[in-house]
Amino acid sequence: AQTVTQSQPEMSVQEAETVTLSCTYDTSENNYYLFWYKQPPSRQMILVIRQEAYKQQNATENRFSVNFQKAAKSFSLKISDSQLGDTAMYFCAFMKHARSQRQGGSEKLVFGKGTKLTVNP
Amino acid sequence: ETGVTQSPTHLIKTRGQQVTLRCSSQSGHNTVSWYQQALGQGPQFIFQYYREEENGRGNFPPRFSGLQFPNYSSELNVNALELDDSALYLCASSLSLAGGETQYFGPGTRLLVL
Repeated sequence: AQTVTQSQPEMSVQEAETVTLSCTYDTSENNYYLFWYKQPPSRQMILVIRQEAYKQQNATENRFSVNFQKAAKSFSLKISDSQLGDTAMYFCAFMKHARSQRQGGSEKLVFGKGTKLTVNP
Repeated sequence: ETGVTQSPTHLIKTRGQQVTLRCSSQSGHNTVSWYQQALGQGPQFIFQYYREEENGRGNFPPRFSGLQFPNYSSELNVNALELDDSALYLCASSLSLAGGETQYFGPGTRLLVL
């Protein structure tokens, strides 16, 4: 079974500064996907960034980037130029590669417990 | 906004009652997954529906059941409600093709069991 660990229950950062959220995971799978989701106080879970395990290049989406270390099973999220709107719960999630085409559907997401990020003015 | 909608937004029930939660998937998506998020926790997978059939289930008892309709919308039913069922229930839709497709979440239904 896969597990995802987020060791920082809460973090805070000053507006315009950079912050890094940590995530480690445990799996015996070789093909999988990793995600960071953001859940603002309004509660809708929003995708921030995703990473395919077979890709060596770290994913980047505007101010958000990841540091994916496959051998260490580490997947941290870096937020640059933090904005007040970045205040939210951040969840790291793991997904196995899908079962065979014959079965169809997709795999479940396995989430960490989340990190509460507060951006201070 | 993800295009995934859920209803109702809030619900209060008493122990022993039954509840039905609804989810409309994003246009073009064929898979709906349901998650339970207890307060202060990450979401836990309940089950998934693909092509109107249950396609994987987490560690939840049979009193949690669901349906998927031909338009790919879905329902989550919970019978014999218990106090521990109080949580935010999230549905997520995706288009299952080759694997690893991103799941897009709805705003959730907050269920309180008294």
